[in-house]
Amino acid sequence: DQQVKQNSPSLSVQEGRISILNCDYTNSMFDYFLWYKKYPAEGPTFLISISSIKDKNEDGRFTVFLNKSAKHLSLHIVPSQPGDSAVYFCAASLYSGAGSYQLTFGKGTKLSVIP
Amino acid sequence: NAGVTQTPKFRVLKTGQSMTLLCAQDMNHEYMYWYRQDPGMGLRLIHYSVGEGTTAKGEVPDGYNVSRLKKQNFLLGLESAAPSQTSVYFCASSPTGYEQYFGPGTRLTVT
Repeated sequence: DQQVKQNSPSLSVQEGRISILNCDYTNSMFDYFLWYKKYPAEGPTFLISISSIKDKNEDGRFTVFLNKSAKHLSLHIVPSQPGDSAVYFCAASLYSGAGSYQLTFGKGTKLSVIP
Repeated sequence: NAGVTQTPKFRVLKTGQSMTLLCAQDMNHEYMYWYRQDPGMGLRLIHYSVGEGTTAKGEVPDGYNVSRLKKQNFLLGLESAAPSQTSVYFCASSPTGYEQYFGPGTRLTVT
């Protein structure tokens, strides 16, 4: 059963507009959430994260919002740029004990920013 | 500072053959991970390590073994490759267990 879901496989946005990528999760024990960006033929790169005790984290054009009651997080990119075109993965971290953390990834959303 | 490197980048194996994928990191990170990514899927954790000499199973460990004899290296072994192991394999390292830094991936095809 998928614990982290990204229900939109793809999203197209005009350059300069806002991109909103969504992620839902089921496990209330997740303590940290992260967004990764992936270009073709490359490894994922870390973008932004948020602790479960916060509801917003901002870094430049990227803002992540967390709604714990709804078990939902979203990534906002403002303004969107053509270079933002990539696959975005949502990930959630679970502490498994003995210094062990595991990330569970969603299936990804392919963002296309149209010039 | 090379970050996380993976060797090889591509490999084709016949069913039943064995191979080892090497992951190396130069950031002195304690945590290292092996993932696989299949088409239309997210990354799934195979095995991980919380420090030199330690390993643990992830979500999909069957058919794989790992070793972490040195802090900077994490090896993933396939003893008897199967077509179901055709995938892209990513290694990652982390200083905290949260933010993970990924290598460029190894594309493995088993025929």
